Formats: sequence, C-alpha cells, structure tokens
Amino acid sequence: ELKVEQNPLFLSMQEGKNYTIYCNYSTTSDRLYWYRQDPGKSLESLFVLLSNGAVKQEGRLMASLDTKARLSTLHITAAVHDLSATYFCAVDPNTNAGKSTFGDGTTLTVKP
Amino acid sequence: GAVVSQHPSRVICKSGTSVKIECRSLDFQATTMFWYRQFPKQSLMLMATSNEGSKATYEQGVEKDKFLINHASLTLSTLTVTSAHPEDSSFYICSASWGNNEKLFFGSGTQLSVL
Repeated sequence: ELKVEQNPLFLSMQEGKNYTIYCNYSTTSDRLYWYRQDPGKSLESLFVLLSNGAVKQEGRLMASLDTKARLSTLHITAAVHDLSATYFCAVDPNTNAGKSTFGDGTTLTVKP
Repeated sequence: GAVVSQHPSRVICKSGTSVKIECRSLDFQATTMFWYRQFPKQSLMLMATSNEGSKATYEQGVEKDKFLINHASLTLSTLTVTSAHPEDSSFYICSASWGNNEKLFFGSGTQLSVL
C-alpha cells in the first residue's frame, strides 16, 4: 500500500523567510503532484513532476522530485501572506493522476 | 486552461433525503472523472472513478449503493448520495484528467450538510 507522508503538517512563518515542505512516499513512482487548497475551496494544481530530478518553479514556489530517495520538496522563497494555504502532495504510481494517493497536507500560515 | 464545473457548491438537507451533485468538464471531453471526499482538516480520499458509458469503479470501503455515480456523457458525471445521514456530511470534490492523465482539474467542491 502506497503511503505518502508530508512534513511538517503545520507551518507558521514570517513574511520574507524561506522554508521547505517535504513529501516522502513509500513505493516507486515517477509522477508526483503538488496542489494548493484555500479554506473552503477546492484544489488548484501547482506542479506536475514527471521524472527523477525534475524541478519546476512558479513565483516563490519551487518543487523538485528525487525518485531514488522517494522524496519531493516544495520550497518557499521569501514568503508572503498570499501563500497562506494548505499544500498537498500526491503520488501517482499508476500513470493516472486521478488515482493518486494524497499526503495529509501542510497548512502554511505566513504572518506579517 | 481546462475547466471543471461542480454544482451545487453547498447543500443542506434533512436526514433520509437524496442529494445529487453534478460535475461537468466545460471545454474538454473527460472519459474519466474522479470523486473524492474530504472531512474537515483532512486529506482527500478517492471514493470512485467514474467512467463514461460504464459502471463506476469504487474504492474499498465505499458503498456503491449509497453513492451512486452516473457518467452519461463525455462531459458530465453525477454523484448521488442516497438516504443521506449526518455522517455523510463532508466536502465532496470531483476532478477530471486532461492530456494523458498527467494533470488533474478539480471542480469547486460541494459542501454537504445533513441535518
């Protein structure tokens, strides 16, 4: 059974600081996704990582994938309040994004 | 980008009634859609895979007679919560994949509250 673990589950940081969210998973997979969810809202796709060593960046967020270590990171650079949300990673072992296993989510709060 | 529309966004119903939730892909054809449930402050749990023109595939532990899924066309899947009870209260989300199943687009979600 595929297990996906995120840490930390809760993260409070000040604006302007950097931090990294980690996503570990238990079985081989070359496909990993990062999503953002605002309170009371649905999910927004942030990144799709499809191969070992993949790195993608969008604004202050950068995601990477190390399939050998079964680890993905979501790095936040110079955080701003608008980044406050819950971030989920999801691992897809079957080349079908819809059947991904989701992590428990990391709730990020960025304080002024 | 691809858009998935979900309706209604919020529904409050009495225990014992049935509730239908619609999920539409607005600008692409989705042969496969997915239904998830999310309890407060928890992650998403895949309930079932909805296949156009055939029966849905349910995940282990999900009652197929309780959660009826119909995927009658390439752009519409519906989830009916039958004889809803308070424990069915949850946030229900649909999604559809686009482009070799590499990316998911999510509906806006439906908050179901059963009194």
